Amino acid sequence: AQSVAQPEDQVNVAEGNPLTVKCTYSVSGNPYLFWYVQYPNRGLQFLLKYITGDNLVKGSYGFEAEFNKSQTSFHLKKPSALVSDSALYFCAVRDGDNAGNMLTFGGGTRLMVKP
Amino acid sequence: EAGVAQSPRYKIIEKRQSVAFWCNPISGHATLYWYQQILGQGPKLLIQFQNNGVVDDSQLPKDRFSAERLKGVDSTLKIQPAKLEDSAVYLCASSLSFPSGYEQYFGPGTRLTVT
Repeated sequence: AQSVAQPEDQVNVAEGNPLTVKCTYSVSGNPYLFWYVQYPNRGLQFLLKYITGDNLVKGSYGFEAEFNKSQTSFHLKKPSALVSDSALYFCAVRDGDNAGNMLTFGGGTRLMVKP
Repeated sequence: EAGVAQSPRYKIIEKRQSVAFWCNPISGHATLYWYQQILGQGPKLLIQFQNNGVVDDSQLPKDRFSAERLKGVDSTLKIQPAKLEDSAVYLCASSLSFPSGYEQYFGPGTRLTVT
């Protein structure tokens, strides 16, 4: 069975500092990896994905993520955090070798950016 | 382009009552998903449709939950009878189609409280 681990319930960072939100995954086939962000009382919003190609993926709002196959990780990063980045972040994985395979989400990491 | 629409946004019912949620996906999106998000957890897939056919309903509690997408566009999710543990946010999402590399777009969700 596939799974996603987000080891930190909360990440605190000062505005202007770099941020990292960690994600590791387990899947039997080829990993398709996604990051979503959730603001209060709103649905999830797509940030970026890794399907194939360059291990460094760039997405919305200046976020990027690095796919590391040997460490089965897909950490989300941003060079300079903004207070408006404060939200709940979810990593998700599906098996790319199995069409229709469900998307499995991690438990989420709350990012708090302080002025 | 219009996003995924859901209604109602909030619903409070007593246990053993029934409830229905409605979702209208992004125009042209063939794949539709219903997720359950319990407070403090990541979304869990309940059912996935491709056009009006069910692709995956392995995590749908079929003794009380049902869903349909009769004309391959909008969808309804029903709970009958509701239990206290059904209190959650129910998210609808849609994606362009298979294969599984397409990102999903989420609606704002319906927050269900069962008392």
